[in-house]
Amino acid sequence: GAVVSQHPSRVICKSGTSVKIECRSLDFQATTMFWYRQFPKQSLMLMATSNEGSKATYEQGVEKDKFLINHASLTLSTLTVTSAHPEDSSFYICSAGWGDSYNEQFFGPGTRLTVL
Amino acid sequence: LAKTTQPISMDSYEGQEVNITCSHNNIATNDYITWYQQFPSQGPRFIIQGYKTKVTNEVASLFIPADRKSSTLSLPRVSLSDTAVYYCLVGDIGDSSYKLIFGSGTRLLVRP
Repeated sequence: GAVVSQHPSRVICKSGTSVKIECRSLDFQATTMFWYRQFPKQSLMLMATSNEGSKATYEQGVEKDKFLINHASLTLSTLTVTSAHPEDSSFYICSAGWGDSYNEQFFGPGTRLTVL
Repeated sequence: LAKTTQPISMDSYEGQEVNITCSHNNIATNDYITWYQQFPSQGPRFIIQGYKTKVTNEVASLFIPADRKSSTLSLPRVSLSDTAVYYCLVGDIGDSSYKLIFGSGTRLLVRP
């Protein structure tokens, strides 16, 4: 299957700083990428849908000014957590789909964010 | 989007067959059923997808009755490494705005 990578895999930052997480599709062009957040022992929660060359679509309750998403190319989407606080500590996962159907989304390995 | 309901957890032993059933009473005509597996601190991994009847691949089988209001993921002869959370999702994969909405999932524990 296709490979999606994330960088970094783990990040620790101080409260008030911003953190950027990269999501790359390594061997295919992803027209759409998705960002999820997962708290311990909970399910994945979709945060936003990122389309190449256009603004991201955020799910209800997700602050677009706090979670900045950029999808500048067909192989790269970035999520920036601005002015991070301890409650933003979570596991952030991206996925990528391609073409007109999304019968199999490919997930990245996730990024563990810890805000002190 | 159709909502799914799964058992919160299941226990099994190595070598046994495990069947996880998912209810999706409001599934739409164009919706497909997809199952994902997730290990701790990893992204989900696609297992299998189907529309009706039975689908089988190298790791699992998916049984879907005629009314499509439920589906059963069957894992033959599980091993300890199959301990994971299994998610059932439904959606119209042909819709360009299709997005995966994860339910609570089923936490499977395989014991030696």
